[in-house]
Amino acid sequence: QTVVTQEPSLTVSPGGTVTLTCASSTGAVTSGYYPNWFQQKPGQAPRSLIYSTNNKQPWTPARFSGSLLGGKAALTLSSVQPEDEAEYYCLLYSGGPWVFGGGTKLTVL
Amino acid sequence: EAQVVESGEGLVQPGGSLKLSCAVSGITFSDSPMHWVRQASGKGLEWVGRIRNRAHSYATHYGASVEGRFTISRDDSKNTAYLQMHSLKTEDTAVYYCIGDGEKPFDSWGQGALVTVSS
Repeated sequence: QTVVTQEPSLTVSPGGTVTLTCASSTGAVTSGYYPNWFQQKPGQAPRSLIYSTNNKQPWTPARFSGSLLGGKAALTLSSVQPEDEAEYYCLLYSGGPWVFGGGTKLTVL
Repeated sequence: EAQVVESGEGLVQPGGSLKLSCAVSGITFSDSPMHWVRQASGKGLEWVGRIRNRAHSYATHYGASVEGRFTISRDDSKNTAYLQMHSLKTEDTAVYYCIGDGEKPFDSWGQGALVTVSS
């Protein structure tokens, strides 16, 4: 079964830029994995931010962007705001099943 | 606006069965694949499974930890998806989310249904 790996935690200063990555045990992540990114804040249901690598939901702030970077899916946050502190999960399609990464806890400090 | 509402939550003994329902409005349900995702307390998200739409023959896929025990179905006439769970284990204890595609993939989430497996 595919294993999807994310950084367990990252810290960024307000106004800074940070990139979260998402790797697959099967090899380089391509657009065919349809990478999705979700944000979850404490006590809330997750919500979709990015689908199919780099497409934003209507509510996704412009400072969030998705891409492929060095064989991984990536979520970049620019001009980070305090309200961006949350858990972020990637989700990859593996040719039938989908698989979540373990999540990245982003601290804004 | 999409509304996704899970129901059927509860406490069940190990080895038992439970069926969750997911009622959807505000999206074209018959076109949407329907996913189930779960989250144990303090843990990450786990993809449980998906049922595709009629155009894709209602194909289903499941995560390895639930394959053979869980079954996803749908009734397009009722705009409702189901998750039938059998042979439940304590490690199946989690909040179960139902997700559909509204305007965009994965954009319509329910608030979750708590399933507790305990003796």
